[in-house]
Amino acid sequence: EPEVTQTPSHQVTQMGQEVILRCVPISNHLYFYWYRQILGQKVEFLVSFYNNEISEKSEIFDDQFSVERPDGSNFTLKIRSTKLEDSAMYFCASSSPLEGFAYNSPLHFGNGTRLTVT
Amino acid sequence: AQSVAQPEDQVNVAEGNPLTVKCTYSVSGNPYLFWYVQYPNRGLQFLLKYITGDNLVKGSYGFEAEFNKSQTSFHLKKPSALVSDSALYFCAVRDSGAGSYQLTFGKGTKLSVIP
Repeated sequence: EPEVTQTPSHQVTQMGQEVILRCVPISNHLYFYWYRQILGQKVEFLVSFYNNEISEKSEIFDDQFSVERPDGSNFTLKIRSTKLEDSAMYFCASSSPLEGFAYNSPLHFGNGTRLTVT
Repeated sequence: AQSVAQPEDQVNVAEGNPLTVKCTYSVSGNPYLFWYVQYPNRGLQFLLKYITGDNLVKGSYGFEAEFNKSQTSFHLKKPSALVSDSALYFCAVRDSGAGSYQLTFGKGTKLSVIP
């Protein structure tokens, strides 16, 4: 069964450094997302991406964050200057128009990248 | 605004017994409701969804959920629990009236199935 793959599985960085989290969504999917899960807390929406542009973003997704789909297969999340509070598990997800409309199709998640900011 | 509540942090059930994991929601329009399961060090896996139609939806691994509009609930159920069902379960909602791609998750319920 096709999977969403994320790399790296664990990233340690120093405060103020830039990080890029990488994702390869399922190949025929058209909607892409980033969510994060701070340890012991709920899963939070960051951003959705469709047709090569951001379709929606949350209050968490400030100017320090950006997303890109540079080559038609990868989908990246960049944090420009990391803060301690950015430490979390970051999940990439994608969904397919074959499984419903964008609003009601299920998300397929990767295994996540654990980001630790020291 | 859309929101989800999972009132139980943890549910313990004996193997072979029926299990229920509770979820209530709040939306302004009609809800699109989902259940996901998370095993340790893994991403969230889709179990089932309710969009419209029959209030009882069946999903993966023998799980089902019942949509109750009057009680704004979407409880996850399974007739006979397995030890391998032990995991973290998340309920999630999208508001059909909001025009939003955002899926709002509950805080999760840890299910422990005791042999």
